[in-house]
Amino acid sequence: EAQVTQNPRYLITVTGKKLTVTCSQNMNHEYMSWYRQDPGLGLRQIYYSMNVEVTDKGDVPEGYKVSRKEKRNFPLILESPSPNQTSLYFCASSSAGTGFQPQHFGDGTRLSIL
Amino acid sequence: AQSVAQPEDQVNVAEGNPLTVKCTYSVSGNPYLFWYVQYPNRGLQFLLKYITGDNLVKGSYGFEAEFNKSQTSFHLKKPSALVSDSALYFCAVRENSFTSGTYKYIFGTGTRLKVLA
Repeated sequence: EAQVTQNPRYLITVTGKKLTVTCSQNMNHEYMSWYRQDPGLGLRQIYYSMNVEVTDKGDVPEGYKVSRKEKRNFPLILESPSPNQTSLYFCASSSAGTGFQPQHFGDGTRLSIL
Repeated sequence: AQSVAQPEDQVNVAEGNPLTVKCTYSVSGNPYLFWYVQYPNRGLQFLLKYITGDNLVKGSYGFEAEFNKSQTSFHLKKPSALVSDSALYFCAVRENSFTSGTYKYIFGTGTRLKVLA
């Protein structure tokens, strides 16, 4: 089954404790992206990647890091989490094919930073 | 800067009635527009897109959207609403990657659709 898998689905942690949210896709997609969803703000793009070892900032990259060492994986790293990073996070991927292919989303990771 | 606006936080409609969820956009250059739907505790699912061509775009689950360049709108429509259509709907625009080499997306704030039995 074609899917984007995020782990963990839920995490409660404390300020300053480094954490990583993993994202993996099995569709051989070139493009991957991370978003955060907050009430009243919709989805905002954090980082994206258009190829292995190619990443770039979205609209809200502060406090986050990403890496793309393999095509299928795109982890999101919070080096020193703070309460304002409490949010619902989504990873997405899409093909680089013609016609602006739609994104496939994971089921989300709900992070609570105390 | 590109932007997307969904002016209604919530839309209520009776089952069997037509529904419209509004979206307006502001972009430089050609707009590449998408609609996604989100059900509780799930990720977003693609409904339809407008890249070029016919102004009326048909998508999944009987949804369609009308692109109107003069009004810079891309409203989502369905002729007859179902209770199961109740969900959160997002409009999004993608930056033109041919000119800027990016994969940047801007999403609206979402509209909650409630279909009443």
